[in-house]
Amino acid sequence: QQQVKQSPQSLIVQKGGIPIINCAYENTAFDYFPWYQQFPGKGPALLIAIRPDVSEKKEGRFTISFNKSAKQFSLHIMDSQPGDSATYFCAASNGYKYIFGTGTRLKVLA
Amino acid sequence: DVKVTQSSRYLVKRTGEKVFLECVQDMDHENMFWYRQDPGLGLRLIYFSYDVKMKEKGDIPEGYSVSREKKERFSLILESASTNQTSMYLCASSLGGTLSQETQYFGPGTRLLVL
Repeated sequence: QQQVKQSPQSLIVQKGGIPIINCAYENTAFDYFPWYQQFPGKGPALLIAIRPDVSEKKEGRFTISFNKSAKQFSLHIMDSQPGDSATYFCAASNGYKYIFGTGTRLKVLA
Repeated sequence: DVKVTQSSRYLVKRTGEKVFLECVQDMDHENMFWYRQDPGLGLRLIYFSYDVKMKEKGDIPEGYSVSREKKERFSLILESASTNQTSMYLCASSLGGTLSQETQYFGPGTRLLVL
């Protein structure tokens, strides 16, 4: 019940494409869902986060869609760029503890 | 900006050695965390500290211990390193207090190889 399932494991898109990364959870007590972006050789950094009282959140080219009834949330990257090539982690939390997904390695081709 | 620093970027140790990984944060955060990151497994919590000298086990504490003598510093200790502890180790911190919906700030990681 504590797992967060993330898919796909890897993704390759052309520049300008819209990669979508999906996550699913079981524990309905989770109340915070952040996405982290990690470049090679760096630690993860917060990209965008959502709370379950909203269905969508946009920050620049990044959008989280949240489906509370399905217990799923996803990250969309609009007009993707080669600089977006990174590993993306979803997470869910209830309090201090995060449960992370297994990560998605995204490559955006120029 | 929050800064979380880790003492080493790369470490090579022998099986059976005692290994210390150090982490320092400069934003007076209450909470500090140690994770290990492995391909296909994501980030898994080893230990968490919510105050000086206070700690809680995470999901995979076996073979590890921690020390937090000062608020800004959180150390991860491998008492007797084994090859299955070869991994990327990430330290993180968060503000604390409400213990809810907090951003965790990560250091750059230490890549440990145990031979």
